[in-house]
Amino acid sequence: GAVVSQHPSRVICKSGTSVKIECRSLDFQATTMFWYRQFPKKSLMLMATSNEGSKATYEQGVEKDKFLINHASLTLSTLTVTSAHPEDSSFYICSARGLAGVGEQFFGPGTRLTVL
Amino acid sequence: AQSVTQLGSHVSVSEGALVLLRCNYSSSVPPYLFWYVQYPNQGLQLLLKYTTGATLVKGINGFEAEFKKSETSFHLTKPSAHMSDAAEYFCAARSGGSNYKLTFGKGTLLTVNP
Repeated sequence: GAVVSQHPSRVICKSGTSVKIECRSLDFQATTMFWYRQFPKKSLMLMATSNEGSKATYEQGVEKDKFLINHASLTLSTLTVTSAHPEDSSFYICSARGLAGVGEQFFGPGTRLTVL
Repeated sequence: AQSVTQLGSHVSVSEGALVLLRCNYSSSVPPYLFWYVQYPNQGLQLLLKYTTGATLVKGINGFEAEFKKSETSFHLTKPSAHMSDAAEYFCAARSGGSNYKLTFGKGTLLTVNP
């Protein structure tokens, strides 16, 4: 149980285009999902917290107009990187909070974004 | 603000040797504590967690961790390292209440030598 999927696993795009990444909780409902960014050999940086049916809460320094987050259902959250540039290239990981226990986060496999 | 410190960005052990990865947290109130493992180009997998109760927590793949409030530590151990244990390990803490954000340590890369 507690499986989180991400699609696509890797994407290459041209500078200036937009890219959408999907995060799905496959066997549980997730009222809260989180989006992280991870640079090579670095820890995870929380970008935003996404709650179903409401606007995402962005961490300080994260451009909300550039990283659009939509949490339309209890099992799906999407991150859209708008007008991507090479500096947006990174590994993006989502997680979903379980409802049981202490609400630990279950992580997706990540999406490798490369902007040319 | 809460912080998590992982001592040693890189730990190297021989196959069959003891694995010890260190984690300290800073919080006046003991948080919930987690250890995650990340294999190359993959997401994070939960190894174990401490919430309340028994301070020695057993996880998957033979790992365990002990919560020591007096030392504000939550070190991860495994008696005998296996080649498949080579990965990045992250310690994380979460405060109680309705804020479910995790604070991560910087990670420790474990290499296992044959």
